[in-house]
Amino acid sequence: KAGVTQTPRYLIKTRGQQVTLSCSPISGHRSVSWYQQTPGQGLQFLFEYFSETQRNKGNFPGRFSGRQFSNSRSEMNVSTLELGDSALYLCASSLDAGEQYFGPGTRLTVT
Amino acid sequence: AQKITQTQPGMFVQEKEAVTLDCTYDTSDQSYGLFWYKQPSSGEMIFLIYQGSYDEQNATEGRYSLNFQKARKSANLVISASQLGDSAMYFCALTIIQGAQKLVFGQGTRLTINP
Repeated sequence: KAGVTQTPRYLIKTRGQQVTLSCSPISGHRSVSWYQQTPGQGLQFLFEYFSETQRNKGNFPGRFSGRQFSNSRSEMNVSTLELGDSALYLCASSLDAGEQYFGPGTRLTVT
Repeated sequence: AQKITQTQPGMFVQEKEAVTLDCTYDTSDQSYGLFWYKQPSSGEMIFLIYQGSYDEQNATEGRYSLNFQKARKSANLVISASQLGDSAMYFCALTIIQGAQKLVFGQGTRLTINP
């Protein structure tokens, strides 16, 4: 069974631009969660989607948004990028409760 | 609110020795799960082991075991017979079973295995 895939793996953007990251969960998994990892703040929860509905959202500004499609693939979007948005963005999938499996991450650099 | 505390920023261990990584947690919920993940320098989070709050037995997965002490709110990871490939960051995480899947992570422990 294929694991969680994330595209792109690396991204360089300029302040003020917007970016869209994609996550394809393990086949059959309906829950997709997103996390931001920075050296200063560690791993922080962004949001979680289950069957196309956002079930939970972390403490991030409205510039961070996401969605999930009927095939469970998820995208997250960050608008008006700031330098502090430079991070590793990780996506995780799970059936519902229980083990969450992570993708390789997208490393975003904002210059 | 949930919280995970990992008090060991870094650990150095000789190859083939056993190592214990500490994790304490705080939650008022009765139904929760505890995870350990390994993150090599490549960045990917690798699932190691899971313990549910109602599980009677401590979880084991190969060389990994979870020393779950509910009364102390601790969930330490034990790696037996450490290998050079075990060098990585290790994160303890907590989730509440009901509802949305949200992991709360600790700050991590950087484990270095010396030959």
